[in-house]
Amino acid sequence: EVQLVESGGGLVQPGGSLRLSCAASGFTFSDYWVHWVRQAPGKGLVWVSRINIDGSITSYADSVKGRFAISRDNAKNTLYLQMNSLRAEDTAVYYCARTYRGYYDYWGQGTLVTVSS
Amino acid sequence: QPVLTQPPSSSASPGESARLTCTLPSDINVGTYTIYWYQQKPGSPPTFLLYYSDSEKGQGSGVPSRFSGSKDASANAGILLISGLQSEDEADYYCMIWPSNAYVVFGGGTKLTVL
Repeated sequence: EVQLVESGGGLVQPGGSLRLSCAASGFTFSDYWVHWVRQAPGKGLVWVSRINIDGSITSYADSVKGRFAISRDNAKNTLYLQMNSLRAEDTAVYYCARTYRGYYDYWGQGTLVTVSS
Repeated sequence: QPVLTQPPSSSASPGESARLTCTLPSDINVGTYTIYWYQQKPGSPPTFLLYYSDSEKGQGSGVPSRFSGSKDASANAGILLISGLQSEDEADYYCMIWPSNAYVVFGGGTKLTVL
């Protein structure tokens, strides 16, 4: 069974940092591009970042460029999102999602990040 | 980044059809893009429904054939049609495109109420 399980969310002060993890199981993690997508409370889905199969290609939404860094450890079947200089507007549920033929075929349950003083 | 416009809400009665739209900005042609659709119920992550392009379409695993996609070129929009509405279809629906191979854009979502 394919599973993606996010962790690392929590309450952080503005300007702080947090690292999210997404543990993958049930499939060959190194065969898939993976993304982070976030959803602010009561709002819609917003794409954040993506990474290719070996970590050599990454891209980011303009809103997080220069502050967030996506990475992966294929030996540990884990995706990461390092989030620095956090702002109140980064408050959201963060989902990791696997891409297949251009669409997200599996999503994690999400981890909530709250940026507040 | 392009903005995909979805009406915030829509409603229909059980057994009827719901037609949800995803309008692309006028400077990009809907015919160029594959439109992806997702369903999200409260407290759960989104699930993939289907994709539709001018040359290809596909359905998510286990997604009923009541859900179908199309395009309205005159409106520059992608369409999600849900026929034979059931109470469990009440959810938020999001469209998505790849404006380039480097990033993804979602629509703002439509909350579908089954009356």
